[in-house]
Order: sequence, then C-alpha cells, then structure tokens
Amino acid sequence: GAGVSQSPSNKVTEKGKDVELRCDPISGHTALYWYRQSLGQGLEFLIYFQGNSAPDKSGLPSDRFSAERTGGSVSTLTIQRTQQEDSAVYLCASSLGAGVSSYEQYFGPGTRLTVT
Amino acid sequence: AQSVTQLDSQVPVFEEAPVELRCNYSSSVSVYLFWYVQYPNQGLQLLLKYLSGSTLVKGINGFEAEFNKSQTSFHLRKPSVHISDTAEYFCAVSDPYNFNKFYFGSGTKLNVKP
Repeated sequence: GAGVSQSPSNKVTEKGKDVELRCDPISGHTALYWYRQSLGQGLEFLIYFQGNSAPDKSGLPSDRFSAERTGGSVSTLTIQRTQQEDSAVYLCASSLGAGVSSYEQYFGPGTRLTVT
Repeated sequence: AQSVTQLDSQVPVFEEAPVELRCNYSSSVSVYLFWYVQYPNQGLQLLLKYLSGSTLVKGINGFEAEFNKSQTSFHLRKPSVHISDTAEYFCAVSDPYNFNKFYFGSGTKLNVKP
C-alpha cells in the first residue's frame, strides 16, 4: 500500500519568506509526527498529533513554526520568516496510534529545506 | 527530556565481520527502545524494538539488540554483515512519561567494505 508521502521533496527559499511543507500519512494512521534532521544531527522532535487530541507542540523551536492537521489526515508544517538555521530535512512519520503497534513509526522521504 | 547518545558517528567494517553499534540513553525509568535504519536515498524504517519481556530482541536482516537496564544501553549487533547493510542507523527512545513521544540519537553510519 501507499506509504507516507511528503511534498515538496526539495524547497529552496529566501531568508524571511514563509514556507509550507505537506505530509500525507498512511491511511488509517491516527498519529502523525514531524521531525527535523539537521546536518550531522539526529532527528529532533517537533510536534505530535494523536487523533482529535490537542497536539504536543513541545518540540517546536520558536513561534515561527506551526503545524496543523486537517480532518485527521493531511498535515502542514508552516515556517514563517525563515532563517538560515531552519535549513534541514523535515521528516514526517505516522503510526497506528493505538496498541503496541502504535509505537512503530512509518517515515516519509522528507523535505529538504534550504534557506538562502 | 530524554538524551540518546550514539557515540560512534561512523563505523567502517569489512564484509562478513561482526559489528556492534552503541546506544545509551539517560532515563533510568521504564522506556521503549527502537533501532531504525535509513538506506541511501530511502526513508527510515524500523529495524527492531524493545517494549518489554526478553532483553534480547531480534529484528529484520539478522540484526539483534540487547536491552541493559543497569547500563541504560541498547546496543545493536550483527554477527556477520553484508555490503547491503551499508546504511545509517538511528537509536530511538520513548519519553518515560509519554510513550508516544520519541527521542532519536544522532545516527551511526555503517560502511561495509568488500
């Protein structure tokens, strides 16, 4: 079946511009995660959605970052007034969100963001 | 917050040799532990996980990992590696107070040479 998809695969933007990154999770997965992977770093947790519950935004690095998930499916990560330090690969993952299988995350291919 | 340490950023090894990739974490309370693998130009995929029970966990492609609570470690091992195992490996640990939140290590690049 279809996996997690992300778009665009690559995004180059000028400093100060806003960007939107999109994630389509696996159908039926209620949990959705956003991570950031900077060069030479591990995956940094950004935000987590579970069903209709309020998202866990504790990993968002600043108020320039926001995310929403519409209809419990597609999610958009928005970065306002981009800075060069925002350059990274942004990864989305989804999971079943219930039972022991909820802990297995399925990752998308990522969006490589470059801020010039 | 949980801290996950993968001390080796790169591990070169010859084909058919054994390998161990190290992972240590900071929390001494119960957590869930995972290894993910990222092959070149592919997304991350789950290799194995420890939730409870036997401390030796077997995963895909002949990999296994051992949970050591006293040492807060979850090292990944394979007795004989193949060229196709060349990839980046990430250790992940759940938040001890929210098992649906995860912290990842910085990754270890395994380079298998012929």
